[in-house]
Amino acid sequence: AQKVTQAQTEISVVEKEDVTLDCVYETRDTTYYLFWYKQPPSGELVFLIRRNSFDEQNEISGRYSWNFQKSTSSFNFTITASQVVDSAVYFCALSEAGRGADGLTFGKGTHLIIQP
Amino acid sequence: ETGVTQTPRHLVMGMTNKKSLKCEQHLGHNAMYWYKQSAKKPLELMFVYNFKEQTENNSVPSRFSPECPNSSHLFLHLHTLQPEDSALYLCASSPRTSGGHTDTQYFGPGTRLTVL
Repeated sequence: AQKVTQAQTEISVVEKEDVTLDCVYETRDTTYYLFWYKQPPSGELVFLIRRNSFDEQNEISGRYSWNFQKSTSSFNFTITASQVVDSAVYFCALSEAGRGADGLTFGKGTHLIIQP
Repeated sequence: ETGVTQTPRHLVMGMTNKKSLKCEQHLGHNAMYWYKQSAKKPLELMFVYNFKEQTENNSVPSRFSPECPNSSHLFLHLHTLQPEDSALYLCASSPRTSGGHTDTQYFGPGTRLTVL
């Protein structure tokens, strides 16, 4: 069965600090997809990134970067020079290819607080 | 309107009421989903519709009844709910291309439901 663990329930940092959100996953499939979503106080989940299991290249998008390591089953997310607007709950999610688009398995989320 | 919209954004109902949640997607997608987000718990997939056909029902109690009249609209009919059903109900959609590959899901802002 698939499982996603986000061990950090809440992280609080001061603005401009770098912060890394951890995500560890479990799956028996060799083909799977990993996602990160952001949920601001308004409630809507905002899609950030999708990565398939065959692409271990790290990705950078502005202040955001993702480190995918199959050897440790981790897909960590780093925000560089954090800003108050980054405050939100961040979810990591997994989908096994055999399930197609039928549902994501989410972690419990990490509540990130950026203090001014 | 763009993206995925949900109405109402907030709903308070008694246990004997009947109400409906509405979701509409303007992305031309073929799959739609209902998720439940309770405090301190991961997002839970409730129902999946592909091309208007229900393909997944994750052991959801019958007091929740989904309806998908077309690929753009999804409803969740609520009847004789319990206080523990109070949660944020999120709708999502995805392209659902053929071949079962995993598509990215895009979420609406959710309906905050309180059952008294």
